[in-house]
Formats: sequence, structure tokens, C-alpha cells
Amino acid sequence: NAGVMQNPRHLVRRRGQEARLRCSPMKGHSHVYWYRQLPEEGLKFMVYLQKENIIDESGMPKERFSAEFPKEGPSILRIQQVVRGDSAAYFCASSPEGAQGYTFGSGTRLTVV
Amino acid sequence: AQKITQTQPGMFVQEKEAVTLDCTYDTSDPSYGLFWYKQPSSGEMIFLIYQGSYDQQNATEGRYSLNFQKARKSANLVISASQLGDSAMYFCAMREDLTGTASKLTFGTGTRLQVTL
Repeated sequence: NAGVMQNPRHLVRRRGQEARLRCSPMKGHSHVYWYRQLPEEGLKFMVYLQKENIIDESGMPKERFSAEFPKEGPSILRIQQVVRGDSAAYFCASSPEGAQGYTFGSGTRLTVV
Repeated sequence: AQKITQTQPGMFVQEKEAVTLDCTYDTSDPSYGLFWYKQPSSGEMIFLIYQGSYDQQNATEGRYSLNFQKARKSANLVISASQLGDSAMYFCAMREDLTGTASKLTFGTGTRLQVTL
């Protein structure tokens, strides 16, 4: 049973480009969460999704950031027109219905140059 | 107010000794859960231990135990018999409103533990 799969592990983008981060939850997990970790900081919640629904996006920046979790395929975190301040590690976690715990992926390290 | 406070930016412990990493929290929800995660230099987040607010006993998982003091709102992680491989960042996190739909974890700023020979 594969864990939470995130790809790519490392992503380099020039300022103004788009970044797409993918997350495949564990088999049987219907809840996906995205977190951002700036250097030397803890993880900050961004968004919580279930299949085809955004449940809580209170941590998402109002502009340039969007997330989806389609019926088929991985969850995507999309950052448009990236800026240097978007450089961070982005973690995805998943959980089954009703669970208290979360399984994290290995993260995607985004570097904006 | 910070929901999760970890006051120790860095800690040192000698191999085979026990170490306590502090975590205090702030919530008005009666139903919440507390988590500890380990983040080694490779960067992944590894779940260590969980304590529910209604759990009567302190959680234990192998060499990890959680010293849960509800009245003081503290949930300290105790690592016994430290090993070199325990050197990592350790994060305390909380999920509030376990009975509702709110599901996000709130993390502290972390404690960097260094195990020495």
C-alpha cells in the first residue's frame, strides 16, 4: 500500500511562471490537505479538499493559488505567476473518512528563481 | 494567542538519555487532538504519537510517550533512550473540533533535537 505520493520532489520555476504540484492520496483516503512550510518554520494549513469539493480554504492566499481534487486523478495545487516568496516546501496529507490522523507525503520543494 | 507554542528552538541530549520536548496549546474546544511529528533532515513528516482530549491515559508508542496535562494545556513529548537517529525537528500539532468537519492541523514552530555521543 503506497503512501501519499507527491511529485515532483523538487520544482524550479522562474518568476512569473506557473507551478503545478501533484498529490495522490493513500488508497481509500478521500480527504486531502495541503500545507506550506517556509524555511525554518512549522507547517501552515492551506486547504482541505474532498473529492470534487473544497471544504476549507481559509489558509489559501486570495490570489494566484488554487487547488482541486477531481473525481479521477491526483489533487493539484496550482500557483500562477510565482514570486520568490512562494519558495517553500509544500506538503500534502491524506486521511480516510472519520480518521483523526493524517499521512503526509514527502513534500515538493519549490524554488522560484 | 498562539494555538501551539513550542518554546525550545533547540535541544541537546546525550545518547541513551531521555529528553522532554515541550508543547503548550490553546483552545476552547472540549474535543481536540494533539499530535507529534518528526521531520528529519531528509524533509518528510513522520507521525509519532497522538493524544485525544478525552483519552484517560497518556499515549505511548515505543520509546515515545506524551505527558498530557489537560489543566495546564500541555502535551510534552518524552523520548526515552535517545538514539543518534532521533536527531531531527519535532513538531507539535493540534486538531480542534474533532466532532465537526474542521480538520486542519495547527503546527508549532518546532524544536530541533540534536543527539550527541
